Amino acid sequence: QSALTQPASVSGSPGQSITISCTGTSSDVGDYNLVAWYQQHPGKVPKLIIYEVSKRPSGVSYRFSGSKSGNTASLTISGLQAEDEADYYCCSYAGSVSFRLFGGGTRLTVL
Amino acid sequence: EVQLVESGGGVVQPGGSLRLSCSASGFTFSGYAMHWVRQAPGKGLEYVSTISRNGGSAFYADSVRGRFTISRDNPMNTLYLQMGSLRPGDTAVYYCVKGDVVVVAAPAYWGQGTLVTVSS
Repeated sequence: QSALTQPASVSGSPGQSITISCTGTSSDVGDYNLVAWYQQHPGKVPKLIIYEVSKRPSGVSYRFSGSKSGNTASLTISGLQAEDEADYYCCSYAGSVSFRLFGGGTRLTVL
Repeated sequence: EVQLVESGGGVVQPGGSLRLSCSASGFTFSGYAMHWVRQAPGKGLEYVSTISRNGGSAFYADSVRGRFTISRDNPMNTLYLQMGSLRPGDTAVYYCVKGDVVVVAAPAYWGQGTLVTVSS
């Protein structure tokens, strides 16, 4: 039951776009369209920003988008803003035994 | 407005037990799966457990299976996590998270969390 693999950190300048990857296996990310992404600002609770690979909950900015190819899911943030600086976690359903896995998290720095 | 208030955290010795509670309001508690997710100090998120709407199905991470038990009291709008054989590695903030109608859907709305410290 290994965690999903994310880069430890990414950075970008205001207005740019960045992409965070989340690599799993054919038993989790690759097998189900049930990948979610969370944003967590320092000292705050996580917030769901993407579910079912590419759907945005009500109130989440259109600048956040998700996709998946094979065993890798991706979160893209376009038009970077200072307020996007946070930790981002991916999460996937992994079947009835392992059930759910999180990625190790990616720290986004807005330069 | 959805509100999830966790309680029951504290300091416990290795090998000890603790029961966490999560009081829910602002939504029809019995209509949603519920989850526990934890975060060790300065670390990432870790899945702990999920329970179905009627409590008939429960799922666990390998790291806690056999030591933790999730349950719910729908008339009381309360979620529980009974933790036993606690280890220092269980030290974390434990979040109660509202899910969706089906258990496989992503955890959605998070409570503020309660800190559990396992130390002698």
